[in-house]
Amino acid sequence: GAVVSQHPSRVICKSGTSVKIECRSLDFQATTMFWYRQFPKQSLMLMATSNEGSKATYEQGVEKDKFLINHASLTLSTLTVTSAHPEDSSFYICSARDLFAGLLPYEQYFGPGTRLTVT
Amino acid sequence: TQLLEQSPQFLSIQEGENLTVYCNSSSVFSSLQWYRQEPGEGPVLLVTVVTGGEVKKLKRLTFQFGDARKDSSLHITAAQPGDTGLYLCAGFFNKFYFGSGTKLNVKP
Repeated sequence: GAVVSQHPSRVICKSGTSVKIECRSLDFQATTMFWYRQFPKQSLMLMATSNEGSKATYEQGVEKDKFLINHASLTLSTLTVTSAHPEDSSFYICSARDLFAGLLPYEQYFGPGTRLTVT
Repeated sequence: TQLLEQSPQFLSIQEGENLTVYCNSSSVFSSLQWYRQEPGEGPVLLVTVVTGGEVKKLKRLTFQFGDARKDSSLHITAAQPGDTGLYLCAGFFNKFYFGSGTKLNVKP
């Protein structure tokens, strides 16, 4: 099956700094990638949808300037948390899908997640 | 407010018992998926249902999509400790909407 990786798996940063999380599709081209946020013992919350070569579409309530998303290639999307604060500490998960490989539009493959802790 | 409501939120049962998790919405979805997630990991897809009234079986797990494609259920027969985890339903309508989650604990 399709494999999605995330890097790093865990990151600790100081308040006020920025941190970048990478999401890669390893064996397929991801025309669309999704970024989710998950708080402990809660469900996934969609933050934004990124399409290769175009600007990301953010969900209501998600700050575009704080969570910068770049999908510059068909295998890589990045999420940069700028000027991080302790309340940004969370589990960030990406998923990817490829419409051109015959996958059904609702199929998505999840990465293993990145645990961000802001001190 | 959550577009997809799951019930129960928490479930703690003994090994060998049966259980059902429900995923309900007032909206119609073109498809619905069930995932299981372990702590610190990404969700793993269990099944996708597309047709109203569809029933799919995966070993001891039975998934059903409501006739109106607004709700779904997951039934586990003879639960085992390995079934422990967070179960999430996700509906697709232009984008993905995740349910509130059901935390299942199966005690040996």
